[in-house]
Amino acid sequence: ILNVEQSPQSLHVQEGDSTNFTCSFPSSNFYALHWYRWETAKSPEALFVMTLNGDEKKKGRISATLNTKEGYSYLYIKGSQPEDSATYLCAHTGGGNKLTFGTGTQLKVEL
Amino acid sequence: EPEVTQTPSHQVTQMGQEVILRCVPISNHLYFYWYRQILGQKVEFLVSFYNNEISEKSEIFDDQFSVERPDGSNFTLKIRSTKLEDSAMYFCASSVVRDPEVAFFGQGTRLTVV
Repeated sequence: ILNVEQSPQSLHVQEGDSTNFTCSFPSSNFYALHWYRWETAKSPEALFVMTLNGDEKKKGRISATLNTKEGYSYLYIKGSQPEDSATYLCAHTGGGNKLTFGTGTQLKVEL
Repeated sequence: EPEVTQTPSHQVTQMGQEVILRCVPISNHLYFYWYRQILGQKVEFLVSFYNNEISEKSEIFDDQFSVERPDGSNFTLKIRSTKLEDSAMYFCASSVVRDPEVAFFGQGTRLTVV
């Protein structure tokens, strides 16, 4: 059974702080790792899809890295803003169409 | 920007009743999915659908569940006889091609079974 874990479960930071979260997944049977940003009452929004070991992706102040050999991905937010407050979900796929999600990291950025 | 839309946003139903959750995927997408999140738990995969048939389903997706694409635009999830434990947020998603292409999610339908 695949188990995708995320840490921390929740995080409170001050505006301007940089922060990062971790997603760990089984390194065997890896195909892709997805990151989503989910604001309350909105659709989960795709941030990144990564497939190759050592992949690094960037979108504005948000970036992500992938280590498939050891089974983890980091999501970094530089200079957090209140609008970054959301739940960040990672999801693993093993080659089918099924996303296996982690529990998410709930980020709250305070002024 | 194209988006996946789901209706209704919230549905309350009595235990044992049938419910149909509706989704309009993005128009040029070919793969369609249903996921659900029970309060406090992880988002769970239910089913994927391609070329008018189920391509993969989870253990959750038993005989009480069915999916259909009746008219080329809507994608529906039917629960035949709802149970209390079916209460969850149900998400529809679609993608142009299969993984690792990005899946676009709708806002979800909150189903409450009483």
